[in-house]
Amino acid sequence: GAVVSQHPSRVICKSGTSVKIECRSLDFQATTMFWYRQFPKQSLMLMATSNEGSKATYEQGVEKDKFLINHASLTLSTLTVTSAHPEDSSFYICSASVGTLNTEAFFGQGTRLTVV
Amino acid sequence: AQSVTQPDIHITVSEGASLELRCNYSYGATPYLFWYVQSPGQGLQLLLKYFSGDTLVQGIKGFEAEFKRSQSSFNLRKPSVHWSDAAEYFCAAGGGTASKLTFGTGTRLQVTL
Repeated sequence: GAVVSQHPSRVICKSGTSVKIECRSLDFQATTMFWYRQFPKQSLMLMATSNEGSKATYEQGVEKDKFLINHASLTLSTLTVTSAHPEDSSFYICSASVGTLNTEAFFGQGTRLTVV
Repeated sequence: AQSVTQPDIHITVSEGASLELRCNYSYGATPYLFWYVQSPGQGLQLLLKYFSGDTLVQGIKGFEAEFKRSQSSFNLRKPSVHWSDAAEYFCAAGGGTASKLTFGTGTRLQVTL
């Protein structure tokens, strides 16, 4: 089956620094990747949709200058949390799919970000 | 607006008992529907999905779900729960695209021995 790998699985950073999270599709070419955020004991909220080679589309209320998304190739998307603050601490999960219509998305394992 | 509702925040069942987790959706048309399971600190594992066709869908780990258009529901069931089924369960829907999902708030399942 389709495998999506997310790295790192856990990261702790100091307030004010930036953190990059990678999402890779290992055995398929992902034309579209999605980034979700999950607060403790809450559901997943879609942050942004990224298509290979184009700018990401952010959901309402998500700061695009804070959460930089790059989808430079068909197998890799990155999420960079810039100038991280403790309130950015969360569980971030990516998913990837081939195309956007009538296709299933496959999820990565998630990244636990803790900002201290 | 599109939405997915899981009315039960927390459910406790005894091992060996049957299980039903509720999910209701609100979409303009019939969405693509999914059930995922998440263990603590882990990512999401797909249990089953409904795109079209047979309204009773079989999934992994002995789970099944039934799509009922008249009730806008997609409830998850398992005839006999195992202690290892304790986890968080999310119902999700994709409207127009199966890959961009709206998630319910989740149901935490606790299994007593």
